[in-house]
Amino acid sequence: NAGVTQTPKFQVLKTGQSMTLQCAQDMNHNSMYWYRQDPGMGLRLIYYSASEGTTDKGEVPNGYNVSRLNKREFSLRLESAAPSQTSVYFCASREGVSYEQYFGPGTRLTVT
Amino acid sequence: ELKVEQNPLFLSMQEGKNYTIYCNYSTTSDRLYWYRQDPGKSLESLFVLLSNGAVKQEGRLMASLDTKARLSTLHITAAVHDLSATYFCAGAPTSGSRLTFGEGTQLTVNP
Repeated sequence: NAGVTQTPKFQVLKTGQSMTLQCAQDMNHNSMYWYRQDPGMGLRLIYYSASEGTTDKGEVPNGYNVSRLNKREFSLRLESAAPSQTSVYFCASREGVSYEQYFGPGTRLTVT
Repeated sequence: ELKVEQNPLFLSMQEGKNYTIYCNYSTTSDRLYWYRQDPGKSLESLFVLLSNGAVKQEGRLMASLDTKARLSTLHITAAVHDLSATYFCAGAPTSGSRLTFGEGTQLTVNP
């Protein structure tokens, strides 16, 4: 099993450009999550999807949209990137008994 | 809304010493998670604590949960350099599935 995979690993954008971060999991988990990590701030939830077909806002959703394409895939889109969105983005999926979350390798995004 | 606070945020210790990282949370929660993150890497699950009084141990690390005190601890015994990393605790409210993370404790173990 690959677990949770994310693409790309690194990305540099100019202000105003758009991009989509891709996430996929092969553990048959229902719930998936997008976080951002900034220095000294831990992880903050952007959006999550409790099950296929549903999405909900987290703590910091402004400037982002998500799509739960199917049970395996959950994408995060930046429509018009801003320097404040420079961060490391992690995708996670959640196991259904202990609710433990498993994290992908992360995408390091820089917006200039 | 669940809030999670860790202390200390920075910890420098010598090899062979013992220390404890504390994780306090603000509202009712019966699930607490500990993760480890190495620089430039993702988060690795260490412990899942699902009930009051839960205690789990793996090598030199031991985690416990006291839901009445709203406190979890991560105890390090006889630290070694390989334990240098950032440790996060995360809690979930009793009736929810979203995790709230603490700011993390950056641990450095010096020879």
